[in-house]
Amino acid sequence: SQTIHQWPATLVQPVGSPLSLECTVEGTSNPNLYWYRQAAGRGLQLLFYSIGIDQISSEVPQNLSASRPQDRQFILSSKKLLLSDSGFYLCAWTLGPGNSPLHFGNGTRLTVT
Amino acid sequence: DQQVKQNSPSLSVQEGRISILNCDYTNSMFDYFLWYKKYPAEGPTFLISISSIKDKNEDGRFTVFLNKSAKHLSLHIVPSQPGDSAVYFCAARNSGYALNFGKGTSLLVTP
Repeated sequence: SQTIHQWPATLVQPVGSPLSLECTVEGTSNPNLYWYRQAAGRGLQLLFYSIGIDQISSEVPQNLSASRPQDRQFILSSKKLLLSDSGFYLCAWTLGPGNSPLHFGNGTRLTVT
Repeated sequence: DQQVKQNSPSLSVQEGRISILNCDYTNSMFDYFLWYKKYPAEGPTFLISISSIKDKNEDGRFTVFLNKSAKHLSLHIVPSQPGDSAVYFCAARNSGYALNFGKGTSLLVTP
């Protein structure tokens, strides 16, 4: 069966510091991968999605970037964090654009101080 | 631009009664709709989905209804249980790769 791992679970970083959040999927190949963010009191906002290695689409211009160094690995990064980057970051995967649901990891709670 | 809207931020229901969570959307190209359940500090868990060619899908205590003309869908939970207390997100896709989510409705089921 497929599983998705995200780490770390929680992170406290000062303003201006770099960020690297990792996500890996096991038990499947060539998944579509996604990064979402849930800010306080808000819904789930799509940040990036990838349908293959070196194929990454950005949905919201911002202080973050994403990379997919391997088929089942998705990384969310920032060179310099802002206070507004605080939130709950969720990685997700699915197979194909058809009628299949996204499956989410357990998320990373990021607090920028 | 919020294309998926959940206008009720919270809902309280007594155990054993029906919970009805509502969702409206603006994009007529959406053809696949989903409901997710989320507990604090966890990722959302897929609950139930419906294709735009249907108007109802049922899975145990959970039923999703779709009214395309009104661009409205709802999730019915019968009977409601205390373990159903969570935030419920409505989501929609337009044949692409990503889901558009609403802001969520916090459901509280009281004993």
